[in-house]
Amino acid sequence: DTEVTQTPKHLVMGMTNKKSLKCEQHMGHRAMYWYKQKAKKPPELMFVYSYEKLSINESVPSRFSPECPNSSLLNLHLHALQPEDSALYLCASSPVPGTAYEQYFGPGTRLTVT
Amino acid sequence: QKEVEQNSGPLSVPEGAIASLNCTYSDRGSQSFFWYRQYSGKSPELIMSIYSNGDKEDGRFTAQLNKASQYVSLLIRDSQPSDSATYLCAVNIGSNYQLIWGAGTKLIIKP
Repeated sequence: DTEVTQTPKHLVMGMTNKKSLKCEQHMGHRAMYWYKQKAKKPPELMFVYSYEKLSINESVPSRFSPECPNSSLLNLHLHALQPEDSALYLCASSPVPGTAYEQYFGPGTRLTVT
Repeated sequence: QKEVEQNSGPLSVPEGAIASLNCTYSDRGSQSFFWYRQYSGKSPELIMSIYSNGDKEDGRFTAQLNKASQYVSLLIRDSQPSDSATYLCAVNIGSNYQLIWGAGTKLIIKP
């Protein structure tokens, strides 16, 4: 089973709203990722958590705040977003860090900022 | 700068033929290579991974890796209309969790 789940599937928010994206995996993976993907572009890495600790932050603006409550859950808190932040937000997970880094993606959250 | 290059396409292939997708990478330290399939509006799906020189087969898919020439390819045999998608090549250089992504090749299988 290589399932990563994400909620919600779609989200529309205003620039003053606060919302959260959620991601869950039950594969025992210890690395989890947030990506942003714009149309016709490859995914862009935002954050990496390894063993529930933030290991990579790709200079993402502070209006995006990640959280990893436990080894199965990953959240992305959103605040004061801009219209250019509208994109598909993807969560991924991979097996024990230090191995092959096969990443498995969830279905994504389509975010629209108005 | 580490780069992964793919022909953006579209690549049009008749149903039942072999589709050949190519990817080149710049970093000789690259260790892991992945092919993802992405349907329009959906998330990327891992279809093949390859780590050593040579061929790796999985059903109708064959990944080929040539580290000396720094390319990796994906062959899809007996192409079906359902194979129509964008195929993303991703490379890991082994030093961290980051994948370097190609821009993707759009494949169209014509019935």
